[in-house]
Amino acid sequence: AQSVTQLGSHVSVSEGALVLLRCNYSSSVPPYLFWYVQYPNQGLQLLLKYTTGATLVKGINGFEAEFKKSETSFHLTKPSAHMSDAAEYFCAVTYTGGFKTIFGAGTRLFVKA
Amino acid sequence: KAGVTQTPRYLIKTRGQQVTLSCSPISGHRSVSWYQQTPGQGLQFLFEYFSETQRNKGNFPGRFSGRQFSNSRSEMNVSTLELGDSALYLCASSLETSTDTQYFGPGTRLTVL
Repeated sequence: AQSVTQLGSHVSVSEGALVLLRCNYSSSVPPYLFWYVQYPNQGLQLLLKYTTGATLVKGINGFEAEFKKSETSFHLTKPSAHMSDAAEYFCAVTYTGGFKTIFGAGTRLFVKA
Repeated sequence: KAGVTQTPRYLIKTRGQQVTLSCSPISGHRSVSWYQQTPGQGLQFLFEYFSETQRNKGNFPGRFSGRQFSNSRSEMNVSTLELGDSALYLCASSLETSTDTQYFGPGTRLTVL
């Protein structure tokens, strides 16, 4: 069965520090991978998406993620955290011909001044 | 283009009642997915519709149902409400399948008393 694991339900960083949010997936077929961000009382907004090709994917707001097939990982990074990055982040996976997206449990990012 | 809209935004019901939530996808999008989000269970897939047909369904009881109209608008219905149905219900639309980028609405916050 396909699954998505996000390590750490809460991550706290200082403003200006590196942000690293971890995501691992299980899959027997090539996946499509997504990172979404959710601000309080709002829906989800797509940060970035991996389909095929280049394994380093750049997204909005300075975020990027690298697809590592050998590690079945798709970690999200940002070189320098900003206060406005405080939100909940979700990793998700779906498959070619897929009609269902599986989400990780989410990681809440706190940014300290 | 207008985004995904969901109505109502907030709803309070009592146990045993039924409720209908509405979702209008982005113009041109034919796939609509529904998700339930709770603090304990996270984001869980309910079902996905395309061209008025349900293509996939999550592990929810039969009290949860949905439909899609010819204009791609979708509704979901929950009958015989239980306290545990209190959640944020999110709708997402995409062009064809969930491998296309999904665009989320702001959600409907359902509270069951």
